[in-house]
Amino acid sequence: EIVLTQSPTTIAASPGEKVTITCRASSSVSYMYWYQQKSGASPKLWIYDTSKLASGVPNRFSGSGSGTSYSLTINTMETEDAATYYCQQWSSTPLTFGSGTKLEIK
Amino acid sequence: QVQLQQSGAELVKPGSSVKMSCKASGYTFTSYYIYWIKQRPGQGLEWIGRIGPGSGDTNYNEKFKGKATFTVDKSSSTAYMQLSSLTPEDTAVYYCARGGYPGPNRGDWFAYWGQGTLVTVSS
Repeated sequence: EIVLTQSPTTIAASPGEKVTITCRASSSVSYMYWYQQKSGASPKLWIYDTSKLASGVPNRFSGSGSGTSYSLTINTMETEDAATYYCQQWSSTPLTFGSGTKLEIK
Repeated sequence: QVQLQQSGAELVKPGSSVKMSCKASGYTFTSYYIYWIKQRPGQGLEWIGRIGPGSGDTNYNEKFKGKATFTVDKSSSTAYMQLSSLTPEDTAVYYCARGGYPGPNRGDWFAYWGQGTLVTVSS
């Protein structure tokens, strides 16, 4: 099973600040996927195929990476970005998710 | 627009079974895998498995074999998941989700999600 380790677990950022969330895989994966989940809501696809933004996702978000190291970056934090973000891989079954990064507004 | 409408919350007793539904609309039901994902209260996401509505082909996370069973009704574009021999550890929100690309071997990721079904296992 591929273990995805996200860091940090929690982060607080001020509006306008740049934020980077990292997802490290225990073995190489082909692509990484990111989901945003707000409290009490279903997760939403946020980034697919490592770097493609899902429909409606602001272009201040970006995704990058390869092999065992991937990241989600917010260029300038906005209050609406406060949420938990999960990474996910399908290169190996079982499909696995990271344990999540909670992003808060400072 | 793509929608996945899940059935309502369930309160069930330990040792019993529960069957929940996921009604799809806004796309060709048989063209995309349906996935089931578990989220325990305050916890992360766990993949249970998937079903191909066109073929009926299923794949389960080893951890959920014997626990979860997937079926579909193509006539109503509805996917079902039954959970058996329930214990308090099965208390969770269960999501159905639709795959991102049609057909097999296109990657297993989750483009659209249902609103979730809360299952509470308690005597």
